[in-house]
Amino acid sequence: GAGVSQSPRYKVAKRGQDVALRCDPISGHVSLFWYQQALGQGPEFLTYFQNEAQLDKSGLPSDRFFAERPEGSVSTLKIQRTQQEDSAVYLCASSFWTGMSNQPQHFGDGTRLSIL
Amino acid sequence: AQTVTQSQPEMSVQEAETVTLSCTYDTSESDYYLFWYKQPPSRQMILVIRQEAYKQQNATENRFSVNFQKAAKSFSLKISDSQLGDAAMYFCAYRSGVDQKLVFGQGTRLTINP
Repeated sequence: GAGVSQSPRYKVAKRGQDVALRCDPISGHVSLFWYQQALGQGPEFLTYFQNEAQLDKSGLPSDRFFAERPEGSVSTLKIQRTQQEDSAVYLCASSFWTGMSNQPQHFGDGTRLSIL
Repeated sequence: AQTVTQSQPEMSVQEAETVTLSCTYDTSESDYYLFWYKQPPSRQMILVIRQEAYKQQNATENRFSVNFQKAAKSFSLKISDSQLGDAAMYFCAYRSGVDQKLVFGQGTRLTINP
């Protein structure tokens, strides 16, 4: 498809396990964003890539969270030693070009992560 | 830091009627962008409408329009001729002119009554 693709759609893990969430942005989109959306809340920014460079990771809640985009396309968000408070929907978004701030971000369907 | 506030957790409207969703924001910047996103149960955020702060004219997209009051830092969304497919969570979002990340409000759940 032509949209942002995220996998898996649902992920259940036991507390303490590591998880990896994948995002495949729209082809040609330079910018890629990760957001965390707790139940009943608005999304909160986690991190931002321009091509393969991670330009802003100020929203990552702890050093257990790690994101990468090694070839400037697909990105992976990894959470190590998961905790119950990590349970949320993780949204990925991409946009075409960073030079114009009014370029909209296009979102995927998100991954719902549940930590037992 | 910028903040976005949506004071209406839930709103409901009769089909074909008009509804207005409220949003206020706090910023010291003069260059910024404002957005309304719709999130149906499928979870995908869908852009409804956007407004550049430097533009005085309110943005419109078919049945959707905004009332942008820059001095009051208010950015409300008006939905005319409401349709059942408009039922969703609506999020107001802010983006700085020098930053890329979106700052979202808490959301308003809109219900359309047939």
